[in-house]
Amino acid sequence: QQQVKQSPQSLIVQKGGISIINCAYENTAFDYFPWYQQFPGKGPALLIAIRPDVSEKKEGRFTISFNKSAKQFSLHIMDSQPGDSATYFCAASMDEGGSRLTFGEGTQLTVNP
Amino acid sequence: NAGVTQTPKFRILKIGQSMTLQCTQDMNHNYMYWYRQDPGMGLKLIYYSVGAGITDKGEVPNGYNVSRSTTEDFPLRLELAAPSQTSVYFCASSYSIPWAPLHFGNGTRLTVT
Repeated sequence: QQQVKQSPQSLIVQKGGISIINCAYENTAFDYFPWYQQFPGKGPALLIAIRPDVSEKKEGRFTISFNKSAKQFSLHIMDSQPGDSATYFCAASMDEGGSRLTFGEGTQLTVNP
Repeated sequence: NAGVTQTPKFRILKIGQSMTLQCTQDMNHNYMYWYRQDPGMGLKLIYYSVGAGITDKGEVPNGYNVSRSTTEDFPLRLELAAPSQTSVYFCASSYSIPWAPLHFGNGTRLTVT
């Protein structure tokens, strides 16, 4: 009930391509869905987040698509760049204010030049 | 601002030893968290705190203890270390406003042998 399932585990994309990472959840009480980006040797950092009152949120080359009925959300990285190579985590929260996060397993993205 | 500072960066423990992972933040955040990260498992919440003197268990608290005597510091204590506690530990903090981003430290890599 508390899980967030993320796929794929790893992804290789050519420079300029679109990277897509998917997450699914079971607990309909989740109401906050952030994505975190982590570079090697560093802690994760917030990339973009969405709440279920909207179906899409875009910030630059990064877009979250949210499907409430399917209980799925995804991260799209347009025009992927080698500097985007990192591990990406989706997460979800149901507590008031979205402070305690349940994370997905992570996706290691490699963007080849 | 230094942000969230974790010490040490690396540590090797023998089975049964104890140690304290240190975490301090200089952003005057009320909320603080400890997560552990294992390959292919994402991040799991160990303990969290909403303010000085207040702590609560997360998803995987067994084998760990915390204290929060000041706003800035949130140490994590491992008693009787076990190989299952081999992991990368991340401390994070956030403002006590809805959906505030978590700010992570750079982690402590712990090996128990």
